Amino acid sequence: EVQLVESGGGLVQPGGSLRLSCAASGFTFSDHWMDWVRQAPGKRLEWVANIKGDGSEGYYVDSVKGRFTISRDNAKNSLYLQMNSLRSEDTAVYYCTRALEFWGQGTLVTVSS
Amino acid sequence: DIQMTQAPSSLSASVGDRVTITCRASQGITNDLGWYQQKPGKAPKRLIYGATSLHSGVPSRFRGSGSGTEFTLTISSLQPEDFATYFCLQWNYYPRTFGGGTKVEIK
Repeated sequence: EVQLVESGGGLVQPGGSLRLSCAASGFTFSDHWMDWVRQAPGKRLEWVANIKGDGSEGYYVDSVKGRFTISRDNAKNSLYLQMNSLRSEDTAVYYCTRALEFWGQGTLVTVSS
Repeated sequence: DIQMTQAPSSLSASVGDRVTITCRASQGITNDLGWYQQKPGKAPKRLIYGATSLHSGVPSRFRGSGSGTEFTLTISSLQPEDFATYFCLQWNYYPRTFGGGTKVEIK
C-alpha cells in the first residue's frame, strides 16, 4: 500500500524558512516522480514543484522559483521541500504526492507575524 | 499557464441522480487530464487519469471523457459517499494546473 506522510509544517514568520519532509513507503521510491501541491484556505489547489526519480530534473511554479527547493533522498525514501523567504501567501496545506497519483494527508504551513 | 475552467462551481443533487462536471483547458492538452475527489479535511483522491481511465479501486459509476480542450466527469448514479468536491488537473504543460472545483451537495 502506498503511504506518504508529510511533516515539518508549522507557524513561521514572514521571511523565515521551513523544511517539509515526506516519508514514502509501499513502492520503489526511486522509480517515481514526486510532486508537492498546496492548497491555501478557500483557494484552488496549486502545483508547487516536482522532481524526477533520480533527482536529475525538477520543475517549479513561478511563484516559488528561487525561494523553494525540492529534493529527495532515495536511500531514505524521503522527499523534501526547503522553503525560504516565506510570505503570507505561502500559507497553505502542503501535500506530497507520487506523480499526482497518490497523495499524503498534508501538513499545514502558516506564515504570519 | 494553462487555465482550467471547471463548471459548475457547485451543484445540488439527489442520491441516484446522474451528475456531469466539465473542464475546459485554455489550449489543447491531448488527454493529459485527471479527475480528483476531495472531502473536507482530507487529501484529494484520484478517480480518473488519462482523461478516461479509471484509477484502481474506483467504482465504475465514475466515467471520464473528452480530449484536447473539453473534458467531462460523469457520475452515473450518485451515492451518499460521493458528496464531495471534484477537481480536474492537467499535466500536459508546466506548471500543472487545477480546475477551480465543483462542490456536489445533497439536494
